[in-house]
Formats: sequence, C-alpha cells, structure tokens
Amino acid sequence: KAGVTQTPRYLIKTRGQQVTLSCSPISGHRSVSWYQQTPGQGLQFLFEYFSETQRNKGNFPGRFSGRQFSNSRSEMNVSTLELGDSALYLCASSRERGDSYEQYFGPGTRLTVT
Amino acid sequence: QKEVEQNSGPLSVPEGAIASLNCTYSDRGSQSFFWYRQYSGKSPELIMFIYSNGDKEDGRFTAQLNKASQYVSLLIRDSQPSDSATYLCAVIYNAGGTSYGKLTFGQGTILTVHP
Repeated sequence: KAGVTQTPRYLIKTRGQQVTLSCSPISGHRSVSWYQQTPGQGLQFLFEYFSETQRNKGNFPGRFSGRQFSNSRSEMNVSTLELGDSALYLCASSRERGDSYEQYFGPGTRLTVT
Repeated sequence: QKEVEQNSGPLSVPEGAIASLNCTYSDRGSQSFFWYRQYSGKSPELIMFIYSNGDKEDGRFTAQLNKASQYVSLLIRDSQPSDSATYLCAVIYNAGGTSYGKLTFGQGTILTVHP
C-alpha cells in the first residue's frame, strides 16, 4: 500500500510570495493533518481536514490555509511568506478503527523563504 | 495548555543495551499515545502506539503506559546503531471531538547508540 505522498519535496521562495503544497493520503484514509516542524518550535499542528471540511485548527495566522478535495487529497497554502515560515511542512493521514487511532506522516516539503 | 514533556537528551547507550525514553503529559483526558522515530532530514515514522494501561510489545520495542501517573515510556531492547535517531512522543487528547487529527508532540529525545 502506498504511503503518504507530498509535493514538491523542496521549495525556495522569497518574502511576500505565496506557496501551495500538496498531499495525497494513504488510500482509504479520509483525514489529513498538516504540521510545521522547526528546530526551535518542534512539531506544531496547523489544521486537519476530513471529508472536505476543516475540523480542527491550530494557532497559526490566517496566512496559513488549506483545503481538501473529494478524493481526500489536500493542499496547504501560505500567503505573504515571511522568513520565519521556513520549515519542514508535514502532512499526515489518519484512520480510526474502534479504539485504535493511527497517524502516518509523508516525507514532508522543505520550504526555504529568502 | 496541554503539554507533553520528554526526558532531555541526548541519550547515549552502548550497542546491545536497553534504551529507555520517557514522556509525561499534562491532560488526564489524553486517550492515545504514540512514539515516532525521526532520522535526521527525514519525516517522523510511527513505531508504536498505545491506549491501554500496561505494556505493549512489538519486536525490540515496548511501550509502557501509566495513565494514573500520566507517563508513557518506550524501551528499546538490544539497541543497534541504526536506532540512533530522535524519538518523539505524541498524545492525542480525543481522537474525535475537539481534537480531530491533532497530535501534540514533545520536543523529542536524541538517542545515540554507539558500537
């Protein structure tokens, strides 16, 4: 079974630009979560989508947004990029089976803002 | 503020030894607990999850959960140099409800296994 895929893997942008990252979850997983990982702050939750609806949101400014399509693929958008947005952006897909809950990460997109 | 704290590292153990990684969490409403391994430059890899008090074993890995004391640990038996990585503890407070899809992570513990 294929894992979570993310594109692109690496991205370099300049301040003020916007960026869109893409994520395809594991087949059959309907929940997609996004995280930002930086050396200083660690892994921080951005938001989660299920059946094209955002169900949960972290403490990030409105410049960070996302959406999910009917095939469960998800995109994340960051507008007006700042230097501090340089990070590894991770997508994770999840499934719940009874009492069991599992979340698997994709390889990530490394964004550098110059 | 729901917090997850991991024992500060780095942790260094000799090859073949048992590595013990610990994690405490602040919210008694926590439901499920996860251990991820992250190699440098890679994304986190799920190695164990546990939601019932007690021990859960998978190969060389054993997760231990004590909800009364609010801690979860990971033991790695017969440690190998390939186990050298950052280990992340994560907690989900409620898989549904207000915490959909949201794992709260600790800062991670760097483990080095030396030959």
